[in-house]
Amino acid sequence: LQLQESGPRLVKPSETLSLTCSVSGGSISTAFYYWAWIRQPPGKGLEWIANVFYSGSTHYNPSLKGRVTISVDTSKNLFSLRLSSVTAADTAFYFCARQMKSDQQPGWFHPWGQGTLVTVSS
Amino acid sequence: QSVLTQPPSVSGAPGQRVTISCTGSTSNIGAGYDVHWYQQLPGTAPKLLIYGSIDRPAGVPDRFSGSKSGTSASLAITGLQAADEADYYCQSYDSSLSGWVFGGGTKLTVL
Repeated sequence: LQLQESGPRLVKPSETLSLTCSVSGGSISTAFYYWAWIRQPPGKGLEWIANVFYSGSTHYNPSLKGRVTISVDTSKNLFSLRLSSVTAADTAFYFCARQMKSDQQPGWFHPWGQGTLVTVSS
Repeated sequence: QSVLTQPPSVSGAPGQRVTISCTGSTSNIGAGYDVHWYQQLPGTAPKLLIYGSIDRPAGVPDRFSGSKSGTSASLAITGLQAADEADYYCQSYDSSLSGWVFGGGTKLTVL
């Protein structure tokens, strides 16, 4: 299974960041996994952003909720992220990943896409 | 400020054993949630190293091991190699935050 992020690398402040994660080598329509976005500001740690199930159900990081939308397109085997009203603080490497789904325990992220650096700047 | 606390850095000489701690609270690790560990080599995406607190994915050497007790978890690396120099992150779930969380990361330096 491979994941590949794509989208604009430069976004202006106050605009909306949009990224797509294309999944190959397996179907996104599986009951065993979520599909997730994680970001990492340069030189800093990891932050979970959101995940989506193939049915469309979602979970969002409360610290970003209200600005984030995650969606899935099963016909194209991809999922997407939109982050609105961006500021310089949203400059980060954005990774997509498959996340194990479990009712009892937190799922792990594996595998990951290679990541894409999105810079917020005018 | 992450709810999972890791030391910013650890170091060890080749061949030695090092441990990296991940300290949480009763709303995450202490609530019984599993801890997972990732290795991030410079300029690359994180890679799953340990899942379910103690299990290794296929291909991960048994030099890497995980443990969990109470509100903390640990990653141990034995027979330290230069190739192990990387950032290491723990991950779990926090019921108070209603979300998946990462530790702040630990930079391992092989002396």
